[in-house]
Amino acid sequence: GAGVSQSPRYKVAKRGQDVALRCDPISGHVSLFWYQQALGQGPEFLTYFQNEAQLDKSGLPSDRFFAERPEGSVSTLKIQRTQQEDSAVYLCASSLVGNIYGYTFGSGTRLTVV
Amino acid sequence: AQKVTQAQTEISVVEKEDVTLDCVYETRDTTYYLFWYKQPPSGELVFLIRRNSFDEQNEISGRYSWNFQKSTSSFNFTITASQVVDSAVYFCALKAPTQAGTALIFGKGTTLSVSS
Repeated sequence: GAGVSQSPRYKVAKRGQDVALRCDPISGHVSLFWYQQALGQGPEFLTYFQNEAQLDKSGLPSDRFFAERPEGSVSTLKIQRTQQEDSAVYLCASSLVGNIYGYTFGSGTRLTVV
Repeated sequence: AQKVTQAQTEISVVEKEDVTLDCVYETRDTTYYLFWYKQPPSGELVFLIRRNSFDEQNEISGRYSWNFQKSTSSFNFTITASQVVDSAVYFCALKAPTQAGTALIFGKGTTLSVSS
């Protein structure tokens, strides 16, 4: 596609519910990042994929967070047993490897845990 | 540790005023990139500029200009003759080191409100 597509755009989950957030990167983009943006804050790194390989997951806040990119294109961020502190916008970004001009970001998924 | 500080939380100006957004960064890497992104209400982050640590030339693009000063670890962004459409949250970000896979470190952002 022309840009990075994320779905759903908004998600309301009851505390304890599992959620899955989808990111469809630009076709051919090898690198894919997930970021978490709390209200009034800058985005914070969660995890990085190069193709299907998850090369860095140091930013995932707990073992309730899990990300995958099985075929090296679409990625899913899953949060198990959601808690109120998980409420945030989850941003996905993709780029060509070696693209020094930054990344193309999606519009994000706004997750609200009630 | 890598860190980006945007001390201005919110700035309000009237159209046609010039405005400067400050960014101070910390890194021990000698090679790094600095970025500015714009986040309009729709939520996506829009790339504005990337600067290489070895290139301290200032840059101008239309009404936008950037002042990179390594000596003070600052990368400030100026909008000349601001317009209502410039209203957004602006983020400064650092990528250090520069290898693929290095995540961007963002500041907390500056919310710019331009009124007519």
